[in-house]
Amino acid sequence: GAVVSQHPSWVICKSGTSVKIECRSLDFQATTMFWYRQFPKQSLMLMATSNEGSKATYEQGVEKDKFLINHASLTLSTLTVTSAHPEDSSFYICSASERSSYNEQFFGPGTRLTVL
Amino acid sequence: AQSVTQPDIHITVSEGASLELRCNYSYGATPYLFWYVQSPGQGLQLLLKYFSGDTLVQGIKGFEAEFKRSQSSFNLRKPSVHWSDAAEYFCAVGPSGTYKYIFGTGTRLKVLA
Repeated sequence: GAVVSQHPSWVICKSGTSVKIECRSLDFQATTMFWYRQFPKQSLMLMATSNEGSKATYEQGVEKDKFLINHASLTLSTLTVTSAHPEDSSFYICSASERSSYNEQFFGPGTRLTVL
Repeated sequence: AQSVTQPDIHITVSEGASLELRCNYSYGATPYLFWYVQSPGQGLQLLLKYFSGDTLVQGIKGFEAEFKRSQSSFNLRKPSVHWSDAAEYFCAVGPSGTYKYIFGTGTRLKVLA
């Protein structure tokens, strides 16, 4: 149980275009979802936290207009990178948590974004 | 401030040797503790977790970790390393009562044949 999927697993786009990444909880209801960014050979950096039906809470320094997050249902959250530029190229990982006493996060497999 | 420290950026061991990866945290109470492994280009795989109870935790792939409250540590161990264990290892702390995790900077493990 507790499986999280991401789609696509990798994407290449041209500079200036927008890219949408989906994160789905397959067998549980995700009351909270998280989006992380990981640069090569570095740790995960939390970008934002989203609760179903609410606006996302962004971490300091993350541009909310650049990284649009929608958590419209208990099984789906989307991250849209708007007007992507080469510096947005990165590995994006989502995680999901269901309401429980331990608040454990379950991680997706990640999406590799390359902006040309 | 809450923090997680993985003092070793790189560790190299020979196949069959024992392994210990260090993790220290700074937090006022007992947090939830996790170890994840990440292969290149892949997502995170949970090795083991500690919420409460027995301080020696068994995980997958032959890994174990011991929570030592007095040392604020949660070190990961494996008695005999396999070549397939070469990867990046992350320690994470989930402060109880919150949803956010704090990740360590990671330890890259290299295994010599």
